[in-house]
Amino acid sequence: SQQGEEDPQALSIQEGENATMNCSYKTSINNLQWYRQNSGRGLVHLILIRSNEREKHSGRLRVTLDTSKKSSSLLITASRAADTASYFCATDALGAGNMLTFGGGTRLMVKP
Amino acid sequence: GAVVSQHPSWVICKSGTSVKIECRSLDFQATTMFWYRQFPKQSLMLMATSNEGSKATYEQGVEKDKFLINHASLTLSTLTVTSAHPEDSSFYICSARTSGTAYTGELFFGEGSRLTVL
Repeated sequence: SQQGEEDPQALSIQEGENATMNCSYKTSINNLQWYRQNSGRGLVHLILIRSNEREKHSGRLRVTLDTSKKSSSLLITASRAADTASYFCATDALGAGNMLTFGGGTRLMVKP
Repeated sequence: GAVVSQHPSWVICKSGTSVKIECRSLDFQATTMFWYRQFPKQSLMLMATSNEGSKATYEQGVEKDKFLINHASLTLSTLTVTSAHPEDSSFYICSARTSGTAYTGELFFGEGSRLTVL
């Protein structure tokens, strides 16, 4: 079963705008990861945030983690048409042997 | 980053035939690989965990006799869909992770294989 629930399921924005995606989970974690998937392709790792971290940046990506609320957000700033893809959060739950559980994903469309 | 190669990227077969999909870690050793199935506009569904030199661990509801997994070396895992039927048509994706001192926590994915059973 999937631990992560993502919100929204789909998001459509204009190029240049920021995109925010949220992920909620249920159990304690070692880390939370975000992945991107272009249509018909494999997933690409974007960023990993550990349970003792609250915020992490990578280029135009900003990830936050609130372990008290069991939630994370992915912010893409100044979006580009090339950011159009599905974005998945994945949790590495405590005691799960480093197994990742993927959320349902957010389908992002950035209109030029 | 580490590279995982998966092929074929797409395959069309007749009902009743078997199809083999390969997943290779190109520049690292992967003692553990994972096989997923993905339906359109949905998330990844873990099918099984492939362990080098031992039997795969299948998720509940996945038929082990239907989806044969072999992980004979540290760089290769194969998924064979036996006696394929149209309902087996799907997108299959493999992933691998580094281990030991090289472990980073992230998964490296193949490009996926689109199976269409006629």
